[in-house]
Amino acid sequence: GEDVEQSLFLSVREGDSSVINCTYTDSSSTYLYWYKQEPGAGLQLLTYIFSNMDMKQDQRLTVLLNKKDKHLSLRIADTQTGDSAIYFCAERTDYKLSFGAGTTVTVRA
Amino acid sequence: DVKVTQSSRYLVKRTGEKVFLECVQDMDHENMFWYRQDPGLGLRLIYFSYDVKMKEKGDIPEGYSVSREKKERFSLILESASTNQTSMYLCASINQGSGNTIYFGEGSWLTVV
Repeated sequence: GEDVEQSLFLSVREGDSSVINCTYTDSSSTYLYWYKQEPGAGLQLLTYIFSNMDMKQDQRLTVLLNKKDKHLSLRIADTQTGDSAIYFCAERTDYKLSFGAGTTVTVRA
Repeated sequence: DVKVTQSSRYLVKRTGEKVFLECVQDMDHENMFWYRQDPGLGLRLIYFSYDVKMKEKGDIPEGYSVSREKKERFSLILESASTNQTSMYLCASINQGSGNTIYFGEGSWLTVV
């Protein structure tokens, strides 16, 4: 969507860390989300962060939120082949829910 | 178990036909959304609604309209289907007041020929 932007592609070597970036425009965001979509499958919620937090860690996933710059990132540690997918960033305000175009992550051996 | 149900999984319609896509949720959610998903473009917001009879345009409302006559049902209408509306349509709902979970329907694959 126009409100949420992501780079379209990321290639990473197996075992390295992946960092997927997202920028959004609405400063009144309440929650920001990361979703994963594998080929032919639906959207799978990976993690979310409340807008008053700076960081959230969940196993191999680390979310960083910079509210001043309206920048969100998802770091995947020790990237595996099963992490190959499209990753969507989403921004929620009181009434609206907008998604980015998705970042296609390719993990190479 | 929360459910967002989209009435049709797969449809094939002719150019110029009127198309209704229905979405029903059973959790008394205020906010409901319609998206279309296309390769390389992600989920683009068509329309959303935050209450009965309330509707707001999303990023790509042209060629679409919506109806929210009852809280549980949010309908997407293509008045005159065109081939560029061939896509996967996804409905979602969330609880406005609290909670962070977005509930999605299974999607409706529409082909316009």
